[in-house]
Parts: sequence; C-alpha cells; structure tokens
Amino acid sequence: SQQGEEDPQALSIQEGENATMNCSYKTSINNLQWYRQNSGRGLVHLILIRSNEREKHSGRLRVTLDTSKKSSSLLITASRAADTASYFCATDGNSGGSNYKLTFGKGTLLTVNP
Amino acid sequence: NAGVMQNPRHLVRRRGQEARLRCSPMKGHSHVYWYRQLPEEGLKFMVYLQKENIIDESGMPKERFSAEFPKEGPSILRIQQVVRGDSAAYFCASRGLAGINEQFFGPGTRLTVL
Repeated sequence: SQQGEEDPQALSIQEGENATMNCSYKTSINNLQWYRQNSGRGLVHLILIRSNEREKHSGRLRVTLDTSKKSSSLLITASRAADTASYFCATDGNSGGSNYKLTFGKGTLLTVNP
Repeated sequence: NAGVMQNPRHLVRRRGQEARLRCSPMKGHSHVYWYRQLPEEGLKFMVYLQKENIIDESGMPKERFSAEFPKEGPSILRIQQVVRGDSAAYFCASRGLAGINEQFFGPGTRLTVL
C-alpha cells in the first residue's frame, strides 16, 4: 500500500469557493508536508505540520493533522484561478532518524474555474 | 538566496546514451535528495546524499543509475545506457540541518528517451 494517498484524485470548483483535499498515510511520521505543482513545473513547498501539531495556518491555507486516524487535510479558502495545480502530501516516517526521505501520494488535481 | 538549481531543464537522449543531471542545492544546504516522477504519478524517492556520502540509495534502480555529491560542485545523477522507461521528470531537493525536514525542490529535469 502507498503512504501518503490523497483524495479526491481530481477536484473542480468555482473561483471563490473553498477546496478541501485529504491525505492518508499508514506509518508513523515525523512531519507531513503539502506541496503544489503547476503543470510541467517543479514543486512549491506550501506548509509543514509536525506530528505533535493538530492545525496550522498560512495565509489562505489551513492544514489539519489527525495522527490517530493517520490523515491530514488541506483547505484552501477563497480559491483563485491561480490555485489550479496538483497538490501532494508528503510524509517522512523516520522516527528520530536522520534520513527524512519523503513519500508522496499521487496527488489531487485541483481546477479552479474563473 | 537562490533556490535549488537543476540543469538541464530538458534533456533528450537516444536509447543507449548516457544522461547526466545536475543539482545545486540551496546555499548552506548539505543534504540532497533525488526523486523521480513518472507521468501522472507522484514523486518517488531515489537517493539521499550528503557531501561525499551516499546515505540512502534504497530507491535507486540496481543497474545503470548512480549518484554523487562531491565536496565541490553540484550533485550528479547519472543514468547509463538509457531506455525509454527512464523518461520522467527528475527532481532534486535540498534541506539544511537535521531537525526540520523542510525540503526545497528544484524545477526538475525532464528526460525524454527516444
């Protein structure tokens, strides 16, 4: 099974609406991060939430983490057409280790229609 | 502060040729990760390096792939005798000191094998 699986796979909304994407994972984690990738481009780091945190905000982004359910959600409020992109969650599962390699899901493709 | 640099951005090779991908981490970062992204997929970890050391290469194919991060200069991902299945986007990420695993990604190199 794959660590860091997002759902939905695709989401289409109107500008101004909120978008919620979910991520589930299977093993213990140190941190969970969300990234955005515009088509054909690199990844942009959005936000990192540590395993001992439950919620974090950054601008129009709100991330929650429920370690008991091994799940996280990313909420984008008041969406804009420029938010159209793929969104990935990534986990690093090395408890106390020095590896920190990230495991990504397949992503959610968000389309914000003007 | 320049971000993670990768070059070339696009690379076309014929089957059997060699591909060399370069990554310069962010200033002050000594930890480098390489990830591969196949079409319509999330990123998959390949290798983790620190200066002059390979720390974890568990995601590297056993043959034809190698990576290095010399004391001076960029990290290099080398693919010998490329095959069509190697066509993908290869991303490099860097991070600073241990403790916070915030990885910053480069723009990627898109390798096309003809």
